[in-house]
Amino acid sequence: GENVEQHPSTLSVQEGDSAVIKCTYSDSASNYFPWYKQELGKGPQLIIDIRSNVGEKKDQRIAVTLNKTAKHFSLHITETQPEDSAVYFCQEAGNQFYFGTGTSLTVIP
Amino acid sequence: EAQVTQNPRYLITVTGKKLTVTCSQNMNHEYMSWYRQDPGLGLRQIYYSMNVEATDKGDVPEGYKVSRKEKRNFPLILESPSPNQTSLYFCASSPRQGYYEQYFGPGTRLTVT
Repeated sequence: GENVEQHPSTLSVQEGDSAVIKCTYSDSASNYFPWYKQELGKGPQLIIDIRSNVGEKKDQRIAVTLNKTAKHFSLHITETQPEDSAVYFCQEAGNQFYFGTGTSLTVIP
Repeated sequence: EAQVTQNPRYLITVTGKKLTVTCSQNMNHEYMSWYRQDPGLGLRQIYYSMNVEATDKGDVPEGYKVSRKEKRNFPLILESPSPNQTSLYFCASSPRQGYYEQYFGPGTRLTVT
């Protein structure tokens, strides 16, 4: 959405390397920041989320960090695997839902 | 199984022929939403509904209508489709607006010639 900037739009990494995707938002009222993964031919699915009272959250190889002062949050994927290849969307949620424009991640075996 | 279903999954139609894309969820969610996905533009919200008989415009509502007569169903109506409405459409639901995960349907690929 127009309120969320997401970078990069495409990202290629070697298997085993880390991938980082960043989003910047503008609505100070937003308090919920999920990340969705969209595989080819499917709808987006939540992979991790963070609420505004937390600075970092980790789930196995995936982590999200949030800087409310700077209004940006990031997705970190470590030890990438070919099955991580997909399009990733960030979202800010408050009174409305706004998506970033997506990052196409390719993990090269 | 908790899910959001959409029908049809694929549709090819001609300009001006009215069509409806159905959406149904079985999770008793209050909030439902329609998005369109276009290359380079991500997911843009068309309409959303906070509960039965409560609908509102999203970012790109022109040319679309919705209704929410029952909690589980949220159909998307194109009264007079045009080629610029060729897109991939997703329905989504959430327990409430804002601070909750959204569950997405499998998508409907619409082509208007």
